[in-house]
Amino acid sequence: GENVEQHPSTLSVQEGDSAVIKCTYSDSASNYFPWYKQELGKGPQLIIDIRSNVGEKKDQRIAVTLNKTAKHFSLHITETQPEDSAVYFCAASRGNQAGTALIFGKGTTLSVSS
Amino acid sequence: GAGVSQSPSNKVTEKGKDVELRCDPISGHTALYWYRQSLGQGLEFLIYFQGNSAPDKSGLPSDRFSAERTGGSVSTLTIQRTQQEDSAVYLCASSKWTGLDETQYFGPGTRLLVL
Repeated sequence: GENVEQHPSTLSVQEGDSAVIKCTYSDSASNYFPWYKQELGKGPQLIIDIRSNVGEKKDQRIAVTLNKTAKHFSLHITETQPEDSAVYFCAASRGNQAGTALIFGKGTTLSVSS
Repeated sequence: GAGVSQSPSNKVTEKGKDVELRCDPISGHTALYWYRQSLGQGLEFLIYFQGNSAPDKSGLPSDRFSAERTGGSVSTLTIQRTQQEDSAVYLCASSKWTGLDETQYFGPGTRLLVL
């Protein structure tokens, strides 16, 4: 089955710096890669996702890149702000098959200090 | 519109007791998922419902865990004879699953503590 590895487990940056979180996956049939942000006491919220027919996707300060050959994908946050502090999870699935559950990485705790 | 709701938000129980956790998906979403999040861990898939199809129970950790989805909407996750290792946050998610949009939207979770 699919296995998703996520690094680093913790990341501390200064406000305004960039943050990069990396994930690798094992199932070459995976084609859907969402990123979730989880704040304390809340459920995960989707912040961006990418499908295997796209190599990069941007949404304001957030971008995700995908390298299918190497089976890894990354989240990039630019101009970080204190409100970006949260736990970030990457996930992978065979998104075009009904009922395929998301397989999550173990999360990265991002701390942005002002 | 309203998101996924879960109840209770917190549950404390004694070892050996049964618990029921409830999930109300987003209206119109045909797919519903349960995940478990243990301290410091990622989310672990438990069970999936899609329309009237038989549920995918492949992630349930033991036969003490079961789930139902009545009328294609509300779902209940039941844990029988709870153990301390069942302590975790139980998250529910729903999606439209049209084949084009498989985005899963999560509820706030139920925090279960087994003493």
